[in-house]
Amino acid sequence: NAGVTQTPKFQVLKTGQSMTLQCAQDMNHNSMYWYRQDPGMGLRLIYYSASEGTTDKGEVPNGYNVSRLNKREFSLRLESAAPSQTSVYFCASNSRDRGTDTQYFGPGTRLTVL
Amino acid sequence: GESVGLHLPTLSVQEGDNSIINCAYSNSASDYFIWYKQESGKGPQFIIDIRSNMDKRQGQRVTVLLNKTVKHLSLQIAATQPGDSAVYFCAGNNQGGKLIFGQGTELSVKP
Repeated sequence: NAGVTQTPKFQVLKTGQSMTLQCAQDMNHNSMYWYRQDPGMGLRLIYYSASEGTTDKGEVPNGYNVSRLNKREFSLRLESAAPSQTSVYFCASNSRDRGTDTQYFGPGTRLTVL
Repeated sequence: GESVGLHLPTLSVQEGDNSIINCAYSNSASDYFIWYKQESGKGPQFIIDIRSNMDKRQGQRVTVLLNKTVKHLSLQIAATQPGDSAVYFCAGNNQGGKLIFGQGTELSVKP
């Protein structure tokens, strides 16, 4: 049981390049989330998916798109990367129908945009 | 808006002492609070949670206290060890089921 996995672990992009961050969970969770973590800012929600086939904006969605490919996978896409998107990105999942809002996190993707 | 905040960005304790990390929240509607531990280079890891109908919950070497009157919760770590060095986050849920995270307290354990 791997939990939440993310790829890649590290990425360097030039301004204007695009890329997709991948996330997968094997816990049969319904809900999945993408956060970014910046120094002194805590975790900020970018997008989330309450169930397969649905996605919603979080606190900081601008510059990002997401796809809930199936129940297991939730990807985050940067269409035209900007230096302000340099951050650590975390994917998380949970299953609220189990009576808890605890989210389980992946190891993160460290992205630098030059 | 809703917020969850920690009182101190850093905390330094001696190995073997008890640690207390504090957190305040603004959303009275939160019915669930969680503490996470984040070690350097890793994702946040679940430590312990507490529902709003409780005022105390204990785990292995950790205790969470919830004071709804003053909207405050704390994480107590007994006999702090070097492996406890990390950033600790509190989080509370909102009506939409999403979590609102505090900014984190970095705990350093001195040998």
